[in-house]
Amino acid sequence: GAVVSQHPSRVICKSGTSVKIECRSLDFQATTMFWYRQFPKQSLMLMATSNEGSKATYEQGVEKDKFLINHASLTLSTLTVTSAHPEDSSFYICSARDKGAGASEQYFGPGTRLTVT
Amino acid sequence: RKEVEQDPGPFNVPEGATVAFNCTYSNSASQSFFWYRQDCRKEPKLLMSVYSSGNEDGRFTAQLNRASQYISLLIRDSKLSDSATYLCVVIPGTGGFKTIFGAGTRLFVKA
Repeated sequence: GAVVSQHPSRVICKSGTSVKIECRSLDFQATTMFWYRQFPKQSLMLMATSNEGSKATYEQGVEKDKFLINHASLTLSTLTVTSAHPEDSSFYICSARDKGAGASEQYFGPGTRLTVT
Repeated sequence: RKEVEQDPGPFNVPEGATVAFNCTYSNSASQSFFWYRQDCRKEPKLLMSVYSSGNEDGRFTAQLNRASQYISLLIRDSKLSDSATYLCVVIPGTGGFKTIFGAGTRLFVKA
């Protein structure tokens, strides 16, 4: 099956620093990738939709200047959390839609657990 | 009203029990429906798609009722390994195939 990887799987950073998270589709091309955030015992919340070669579309309430998304190729999207604060500590998950498989199924990365101290 | 609503549970059932989850959606133009399973501190994994005619995969049966705008998941002969959070997922007909997740229903299967 299709595989999506994320790196790093876990990161601890100090308040005020920036953190970059990578999302890669390993065996398929993904024109669209999604970034989600999940707080403990809560559901996945879509942050933004990332389309290869164009600007990301952010959900209401998500600051685009704080969460920078770059989708430079069909297999890589990055999320940079700038000037991180403790309230940004969360589980960040990306997913990718296979370009060749239609619009229905998404494949999720294993997630990145961010802790801001 | 939330776009996708689920009973958060938790559902506590003994092994071997049959348990059913419902999920309602607000957008009548929604096109695709799925059930995902998420284990604690892990990413969601696709459990099954939901087709208009209903579909079955082993112990799992999914059904869609477009008129009432809900989907259901039935688990028969529950196993301890079925303990997880089950997420109802809807893809609306518009909006660039944005995926809408329900908040999830937690299931605990006990020995």
